Amino acid sequence: GQNIDQPTEMTATEGAIVQINCTYQTSGFNGLFWYQQHAGEAPTFLSYNVLDGLEEKGRFSSFLSRSKGYSYLLLKELQMKDSASYLCAVMDSNYQLIWGAGTKLIIKP
Amino acid sequence: DTEVTQTPKHLVMGMTNKKSLKCEQHMGHRAMYWYKQKAKKPPELMFVYSYEKLSINESVPSRFSPECPNSSLLNLHLHALQPEDSALYLCASSPSEVYEQYFGPGTRLTVT
Repeated sequence: GQNIDQPTEMTATEGAIVQINCTYQTSGFNGLFWYQQHAGEAPTFLSYNVLDGLEEKGRFSSFLSRSKGYSYLLLKELQMKDSASYLCAVMDSNYQLIWGAGTKLIIKP
Repeated sequence: DTEVTQTPKHLVMGMTNKKSLKCEQHMGHRAMYWYKQKAKKPPELMFVYSYEKLSINESVPSRFSPECPNSSLLNLHLHALQPEDSALYLCASSPSEVYEQYFGPGTRLTVT
């Protein structure tokens, strides 16, 4: 079967750094995506990894290890507006996105 | 234009009504998607259009009927829905099926 695991909820402090992990088992792999979703709003694309390594985009970075079926999203200099759900999704061999259940990130002052 | 638009933002309909959701993008994307999302759950894929042809139908009930009039427009026709169909309906587009998807703001549907 296809499975994506990520923590249900995490709490962090404003200004700090947080790492959200994602592990996956899918039939084929055509890339891993991270999306941010604020409550009641649509998902917003954050990052895409298809090769092993780190991709950096401003305060956000995403890492992929294909051999370990593992990714993480790193958020630096946390701001209150970063409070949201973060969804990990893997594109399988049929080019369909398999979604994790999402990690709710709570930022405290 | 770098966004996906959806109308209406909110829709309340009875179980005997017929309504349509609309989605539009002008980014030249050739793949368009309909998703259904329940609260605190990830999006569930309903339909995928690639180059205006339906390429994936995830065994969605026939009371949902998609239509892709042209490469910029996507409709979802609704008929005889059930209360459990109440959800956020998201449209997304991507340059093609292998790329990241960009989501519209969604239509919040309530079936009474």
